[in-house]
Amino acid sequence: EAAVTQSPRNKVAVTGGKVTLSCNQTNNHNNMYWYRQDTGHGLRLIHYSYGAGSTEKGDIPDGYKASRPSQENFSLILELATPSQTSVYFCASGDAAPAWGIDTQYFGPGTRLLVL
Amino acid sequence: AQSVTQPDARVTVSEGASLQLRCKYSYSATPYLFWYVQYPRQGLQLLLKYYSGDPVVQGVNSFEAEFSKSNSSFHLQKASVHWSDSAVYFCALSIFGGSALGRLHFGAGTQLIVIP
Repeated sequence: EAAVTQSPRNKVAVTGGKVTLSCNQTNNHNNMYWYRQDTGHGLRLIHYSYGAGSTEKGDIPDGYKASRPSQENFSLILELATPSQTSVYFCASGDAAPAWGIDTQYFGPGTRLLVL
Repeated sequence: AQSVTQPDARVTVSEGASLQLRCKYSYSATPYLFWYVQYPRQGLQLLLKYYSGDPVVQGVNSFEAEFSKSNSSFHLQKASVHWSDSAVYFCALSIFGGSALGRLHFGAGTQLIVIP
């Protein structure tokens, strides 16, 4: 099973500050995803990547940037954090080939972000 | 557009009773369907998945789910629940092809409470 780790596990930020959430996976998966989880919404996709150097916008990308510098690492960046970005953020990885399209995703433990 | 609906935000059952968690999807073709479980303060773990073939799929920890194309449903079932099954359960779908291969669309989740 894929090992996905996230750091930090908890973060308190101030409005207008910059926040970087990091994700690392050790099973050489091509695909990585960032979701946020809010009550009543399930998980919503923010950004995703099909490999090093690539990032794509998900359903709710506004206010977020992503970076995939290597196969193992995928970061989510909040340049100007706002209280509405208070949430739990999950990273996931998967190894499906794009031509097939089916990707069993393995999730990290989550990062709890509070923006004051 | 595709979507997933979990009509029950919370389900309470007694230990040893049977369980059904409901999931309805909206998609014009047959999607790929997943059930994930989230224990407190943890990431999501895959319970089972359906791609094609036998509409009843078996998962971990004696969970199973039945796909129904006519009802656009993918309900999760268990014959006898244990208190340790208390968690939040998410239904999700993925579609083949399109601009975002492999991405998951989640329902809002159902919190299962098992009373000892």
